[in-house]
Amino acid sequence: KNQVEQSPQSLIILEGKNCTLQCNYTVSPFSNLRWYKQDTGRGPVSLTIMTFSENTKSNGRYTATLDADTKQSSLHITASQLSDSASYICVVSLKPFSGGYNKLIFGAGTRLAVHP
Amino acid sequence: NAGVTQTPKFQVLKTGQSMTLQCAQDMNHEYMSWYRQDPGMGLRLIHYSVGAGITDQGEVPNGYNVSRSTTEDFPLRLLSAAPSQTSVYFCASRLNGQANTEAFFGQGTRLTVV
Repeated sequence: KNQVEQSPQSLIILEGKNCTLQCNYTVSPFSNLRWYKQDTGRGPVSLTIMTFSENTKSNGRYTATLDADTKQSSLHITASQLSDSASYICVVSLKPFSGGYNKLIFGAGTRLAVHP
Repeated sequence: NAGVTQTPKFQVLKTGQSMTLQCAQDMNHEYMSWYRQDPGMGLRLIHYSVGAGITDQGEVPNGYNVSRSTTEDFPLRLLSAAPSQTSVYFCASRLNGQANTEAFFGQGTRLTVV
């Protein structure tokens, strides 16, 4: 069964600290892995997209890693800010069969709270 | 720079009522989709469309209808609302359904069925 599991479910950190969120997947065939940020009451917004051959990708203070062998990804947030408080969703894209379309499999997300 | 626009933002329905959730995008994207987001679960695909006049079912289509008469609009219809349809609904669009195209989401519609 195609699944994306994220840990921890929730996390509280102090402003200025770093944190790492985890994503494990059992999706096959794999096409790419995405991280999204979802603010409360808003839709998800893309942070990074990584293909099979990419093992690191950065977007400002956000750095995503991908280990396609172990089927694990992480999102590292450096020098956290209050505005980083949000849910972070890991999404894996299925490689479609011939003529098909890339289906997205969503994790349940990690809810991050940054406190002053 | 509107992107994906959803209306309404909040809605309360009585069991058995019908309604339409609106979704419009101004990016000339081919691929549009509807998801529902429930507590503790990832977003689940309800229906999707790969272009005007073409729609298909996702993993949780029961109780919902869609149509795509124009590239811009992709409304979601609840035929006879049930409490199990209480959820947050997101519309998303992508340039096309191919590998690395980025998905853009609307702000969501929070639906409560009583």
